[in-house]
Order: sequence, then structure tokens, then C-alpha cells
Amino acid sequence: GQNIDQPTEMTATEGAIVQINCTYQTSGFNGLFWYQQHAGEAPTFLSYNVLDGLEEKGRFSSFLSRSKGYSYLLLKELQMKDSASYLCAVRVVAGTALIFGKGTTLSVSS
Amino acid sequence: GAVVSQHPSWVICKSGTSVKIECRSLDFQATTMFWYRQFPKQSLMLMATSNEGSKATYEQGVEKDKFLINHASLTLSTLTVTSAHPEDSSFYICSARDPRGGSTDTQYFGPGTRLTVL
Repeated sequence: GQNIDQPTEMTATEGAIVQINCTYQTSGFNGLFWYQQHAGEAPTFLSYNVLDGLEEKGRFSSFLSRSKGYSYLLLKELQMKDSASYLCAVRVVAGTALIFGKGTTLSVSS
Repeated sequence: GAVVSQHPSWVICKSGTSVKIECRSLDFQATTMFWYRQFPKQSLMLMATSNEGSKATYEQGVEKDKFLINHASLTLSTLTVTSAHPEDSSFYICSARDPRGGSTDTQYFGPGTRLTVL
């Protein structure tokens, strides 16, 4: 089967940096996505990695190592509004649905 | 980014009734849409893949006769929960695959529909 693991909860303070890890074991790989989801809302797209390395987009960066089945999302200069659930998702085959991890709930305090 | 809408955003119904949820891609044509379900504090679970002009593909354990999917046009897919029961209460989210996304092949999510069955 397909398996995507990420920590259930994390806490951090405003202005800090936090790294959310994701490991995956899937039957194939066609890209890894990170989404942000606030309570009661739909997920919003944050980043996409298909090749090894770091993708940077403003305060958010995402890293991928395909050989290790590992990714992380790095959030810098944390703000209170960053408190949300962060979902790691893998696309196994091009054009198909994403397989989601259970999400990491991040709580940012002042 | 691309916009996907869902209607209604929330619905409360009595047990045994049917509920239809619409998912529309507003600024692109989506040959493929996906329906997910999310229970409280759980992740999104794929229910089915909706392909325009053909039958939907359901995930294992999802009853196709209970969750009817119709993808009649390139911008609209509907999910009908038939004879709804309290255990069907959940957050239903659709996503549409934007074919213009190139290698990213990004899926854009609708705002979700919260269904409560009494």
C-alpha cells in the first residue's frame, strides 16, 4: 500500500523557523506537494517538488530527496496566521489523484 | 491560481434524503476532477476520480451506488450522496486538475462542502 508519514502536531513561536518532515513509501512517484489547510477550509497549494533539492518561495521552502523518500517544508519568520494544518501529498502517477498524509497541525504562539 | 467552486458550502439534511454537491472549474476546462472526503482531524481520503464523458472510478470501499458522480461537462462534476445517513456526515472536497499546469500538473481544490446528516 501507499504510506505517507508526518508528525501529528508541532508548536513554535512567532518569528521562529520550523521544519515539518514527511516520509513516503509509495508504489511510484510523480511529484510531492505541500498544502496548507485552515480549520473548516479547503487546502491551498504551497509547493511542488519532483526533482531532488530545495524549492524556495518566499517564507516557505520545500526539500525533496527521492532516494530517501523524504521531504520537508520549512517555514521562516513564523506568523500567527501560519497556525494551520500542513498536508504532505504524493502523486504516484501523472494525472492521478494525490495521496495525502494525515497532516501536521502547527500552532504558532506569541 | 485557478479557481474551483463548490456548492453548497454547507448542508444539513435528514437521514434517508439525497444531497447533490456541485464542483465547478471557473477558469479552465477540467477533464479530470477528484472527490475527497475528510472526517474531523483526519486527512483527505480520495473517494473517486471523475472523468468527463465517462464513468467515475471509485476507490476501494466507496459504494458507487451510494455516491453518484456525474461529470457531464468540462467544467462541472456533481456528487450525489443518496439515502444519506449520519455516518456520511463529513467535509467533502473536490479538486480539479488544470491541464495547463504543464509538468506541475497542479490540482486546485474547491472550498469544500460540510454535510451534516441528522
